[in-house]
Amino acid sequence: LAKTTQPVSMDSYEGQEVNITCSHNNIATNDYITWYQQFPSQGPRFIIQGYKTKVTNEVASLFIPADRKSSTLSLPRVSLSDTAVYYCLVGDLLGGGYNKLIFGAGTRLAVHP
Amino acid sequence: GAGVSQSPSNKVTEKGKDVELRCDPISGHTALYWYRQSLGQGLEFLIYFQGNSAPDKSGLPSDRFSAERTGGSVSTLTIQRTQQEDSAVYLCASSLGGAPDTQYFGPGTRLTVL
Repeated sequence: LAKTTQPVSMDSYEGQEVNITCSHNNIATNDYITWYQQFPSQGPRFIIQGYKTKVTNEVASLFIPADRKSSTLSLPRVSLSDTAVYYCLVGDLLGGGYNKLIFGAGTRLAVHP
Repeated sequence: GAGVSQSPSNKVTEKGKDVELRCDPISGHTALYWYRQSLGQGLEFLIYFQGNSAPDKSGLPSDRFSAERTGGSVSTLTIQRTQQEDSAVYLCASSLGGAPDTQYFGPGTRLTVL
């Protein structure tokens, strides 16, 4: 099973770019990489998903190197409202090779004024 | 449209009692997931339903946990003979198709076992 490792916490300031890296050395061929954001007392919310190279949407970018053993979530110009826990999810149930979706322990991002 | 809903939002029970947690997924979503999140911890996958296929129960922590999904829609997670270590937030999510489709999470049910 693909296990993920993320930094426990990070601090940043408003307006800065934040990069959070997730390691997933045992990622399988069929696995996608998905990042979720969670605010206190709420369920996680989808941010971005990718399989390889780079993906960008209106809120973030996701960088995945060729070996896919890690991925980096990039949040441009963070604001105080980006203070949350960010989870990296690796898995795929369609292929039948994995029975569990593995969320990382999450990275607590604190954005300061 | 309506998102994923869960009930109750909070449940306090005594050790040894059985509890039922309910999840109403987004209409039309074929996949449904249950997770558990202990205080300050990450998400622990419990079980996954996809269409009419038999669910994968390998994530359930013990045989006191069971889940069913009726008619491919509403799901119930049942915990029998609750223990204090079962205290956590139980989150349900649904997705249009199976993984890796985007999962939409409900607000969770906070279970406290006294």
